[in-house]
Formats: sequence, structure tokens, C-alpha cells
Amino acid sequence: EVQLVESGGGLVQPGGSLRLSCAASGFTFGSYEMNWVRQAPGKGLEWVSYISTSGSNMYYSDSVKGRFTISRDNAKNSLYLQMNSLRAEDTAVYYCARGYNWKDYWGQGTLVTVSS
Amino acid sequence: EIVMTQSPATLSVSPGERATLSCRASQSVSTNLAWYQQKPGQAPSLLIYGASTRATGFPARFSGSGSGTEFTLTISGLQSEDFAVYYCQQYNIWPRTFGQGTKVEIK
Repeated sequence: EVQLVESGGGLVQPGGSLRLSCAASGFTFGSYEMNWVRQAPGKGLEWVSYISTSGSNMYYSDSVKGRFTISRDNAKNSLYLQMNSLRAEDTAVYYCARGYNWKDYWGQGTLVTVSS
Repeated sequence: EIVMTQSPATLSVSPGERATLSCRASQSVSTNLAWYQQKPGQAPSLLIYGASTRATGFPARFSGSGSGTEFTLTISGLQSEDFAVYYCQQYNIWPRTFGQGTKVEIK
């Protein structure tokens, strides 16, 4: 059974940093592209970042470019999102999701709250 | 960036009736379009990809159609478990973009 489990969310002050993790199981993690997608409270879905299978290619939304860094460790079956210079508008549930085109599996999400 | 616009924002439907949801792209995405279903407090689930291919686990009452800039998700004979928010997403170009969602609620 495919499982994606996010962790690392919490309350952080504006300007602070946070590192999210996503633990994958039930599939060959290194064979799949991965993404982070977020959802602000009561709002829709927003794609945040993508990473290729090897980790050599990454894409970011304009809203996080230069502040967030996506990475992966295929030996540990894990995906990461380093978030720096956090802003109030980054407050959201962050999901890791599998897939280059459509996203066929999603984790349950981890809540990030940016507030003083 | 391709802007995805969904309509209506909310659709009130009685159980057993048909629901028709629309998704429009600001430029052609061919058939590179997916639909997701999201229930309250849950992560989204992939429903349709390739504009019309149903994902595993979803019944035949869900169908997708369209190409280019106009897409439709049809739910025939709505069941209680179908009341949810539905999002479209294009994957023709980066960045991948989602529509703002259509909430299907009980009438």
C-alpha cells in the first residue's frame, strides 16, 4: 500500500524557517517524481514545488522561489521542503504528492502556521 | 502561467441527480487535465487524468470530457459520498495550476 506521511509542520514566526519531511512507503520511491502542494485554510490547492527522480531537476512556484528548497533522499525514501523567510501567506496545509503530471497519491498533510 | 477557471463555485444537487462541473483553461492544455475530489478534512484524491480516464477506485458514474480549453466533469446519479469539492489541474506546462474548485453540496 502506497503511503506518504508528512511531518515537521508547526507554528513559526514571520521570517523564520521550517523543514518539512515526507516519508514514503509501499512503492519504489526513487522511481517517482514528487511534489509539494499546499492549501491555505478554506482555500484551494496550490502547487509549490517539484523534484525529479534523481533530484537533479527542481521547479518552484513564483510565490516560493528563492525561499523554499525541495530535496530528496532516495536511500531514506524521503522528500523534504526547506522553508526560509516564511510569511503569513505561507500558512497552509502542506501535502506531498506523487507524480510528474497528475498526482496519484497524496499524504494527509502537515499544517504550517506563520504568525507572531 | 495557465489560469484554470472552474464554474460554478458551488453546485447544489439532489441525491440521484446529475452534476455537471466546468473547467476552463486560459490557453490550450490539449487533454493534459486531471480532476481531483476532496472531502472535508481529507487530502485530495485523483479522480480523472488525461481529461477522461478514471482513476482506480472511482465508479463509472464519474466521467470527464473535453480538450483544448474546455473541460467537463459529469457525475451521474449523485451518491451521498460524492458531495465534496472538485478541482481541475492542468499539466501541459509548468507551473502546474489548479482551478479554484467547485463544491458539490446537497440540495
